[in-house]
Amino acid sequence: DIQMTQSPSTLSASIGDRVTITCRASQGITSWLAWYQHKPGKAPKLLIYKASTLQNGVPSRFSGSGSGTEFTLTINRLQPDDFATYYCQQYENFSSFGQGTKVEIK
Amino acid sequence: QLQLQESGPGLVRPSETLSLSCTVSGGFISSSNYYWGWIRQSPEKGLEWIGTAFYTGATYYTPSLKSRVTISVDTSKNQFSLSLASVTAADTAMYFCVRHRYVSNYFDPWGQGTLVTVSS
Repeated sequence: DIQMTQSPSTLSASIGDRVTITCRASQGITSWLAWYQHKPGKAPKLLIYKASTLQNGVPSRFSGSGSGTEFTLTINRLQPDDFATYYCQQYENFSSFGQGTKVEIK
Repeated sequence: QLQLQESGPGLVRPSETLSLSCTVSGGFISSSNYYWGWIRQSPEKGLEWIGTAFYTGATYYTPSLKSRVTISVDTSKNQFSLSLASVTAADTAMYFCVRHRYVSNYFDPWGQGTLVTVSS
């Protein structure tokens, strides 16, 4: 099994901040990594796939980078709608998820 | 725009079988381009991929649940289903249905999820 480790688990930030979330894979997954945004009571939303490709309709303030075992999700100029929990997912070998990063208002 | 909606009992007794359905709207489950899967989320285990099915009947399951899980596709109803046998409190979770392009792939879209509690 490929284990995914996200950090931090919680992040306090203000509107307009730049935030970065890190995801590490227990073994190399090339670029087979996705990021999701999840708000309570709603369907999780795909933000980024193949480590850095922005899903259609996702604002350009979201970006992803990395390959192999280390990946990052960056949100530039944090907006009120961005307060949510973010998950990474590897799909190199079936699927596994990070434990999530909650972005909360500072 | 494709949408997924889960349905099924919110309460299941221990040792019984959990059964959920996912209705697909805005697209056809018989598309040869997509797979249909189930994911669950609990405070203890986080997000966990359960398994995936193709419209032909091919299925893939996570090893830890393989002995208890069945996913099936009903093309006549444009639905797919999850059956999890011999449930315990550890199976209490939010269950999501998803679509994806390959067996190992990202998931898009997701249903809103349905909470299933295992309790007597």
